[in-house]
Amino acid sequence: NAGVMQNPRHLVRRRGQEARLRCSPMKGHSHVYWYRQLPEEGLKFMVYLQKENIIDESGMPKERFSAEFPKEGPSILRIQQVVRGDSAAYFCASSPTGWGTDTQYFGPGTRLTVL
Amino acid sequence: AQSVTQLDSQVPVFEEAPVELRCNYSSSVSVYLFWYVQYPNQGLQLLLKYLSGSTLVESINGFEAEFNKSQTSFHLRKPSVHISDTAEYFCAVSEYSGNTPLVFGKGTRLSVIA
Repeated sequence: NAGVMQNPRHLVRRRGQEARLRCSPMKGHSHVYWYRQLPEEGLKFMVYLQKENIIDESGMPKERFSAEFPKEGPSILRIQQVVRGDSAAYFCASSPTGWGTDTQYFGPGTRLTVL
Repeated sequence: AQSVTQLDSQVPVFEEAPVELRCNYSSSVSVYLFWYVQYPNQGLQLLLKYLSGSTLVESINGFEAEFNKSQTSFHLRKPSVHISDTAEYFCAVSEYSGNTPLVFGKGTRLSVIA
């Protein structure tokens, strides 16, 4: 049973470009969470999605960031017109039911560098 | 809203010595508590979690944590560390109610010295 997959593992973008980060949850998991880890910081929640629905996006910046989890295919975190402050590690996690008792299983992360 | 404080950003310790990584949380509602470990350039792995019942929880690799409700703490301990325990450790909480994300502390970097 494959774990949570994220690609690419490393992504380099120039200021103003778009970044697309992909996350395939564990088999049987329909709940996906995105977190951002800035240098020397813990993980900060960004968005929580269930298939075709955004459940909680309270941690998502209001502009330039969007997320989706379509019926088929991976969840995608999209950052438009990237700026240097977007450089961070972005982690995706998945869980089977979304309840607080669930273990969230994390992917290896995508490390975004904005030049 | 919840918050998590990990009091030590870095903890160096000699091999085979005991270690305690401190975690305190703040919440207006009941919470579940988690410790995750992150090895260099990897994602987070669950180490152990407290949901209910016995306040002392253990992991398969010798770590344990004790939930103390009165002190709102969930400190992580290991009686004898190994070089392979060198990693970053994150304490996290989630609310009792469903569909809530994890709230993480800033992490503690454990460095085990030979």
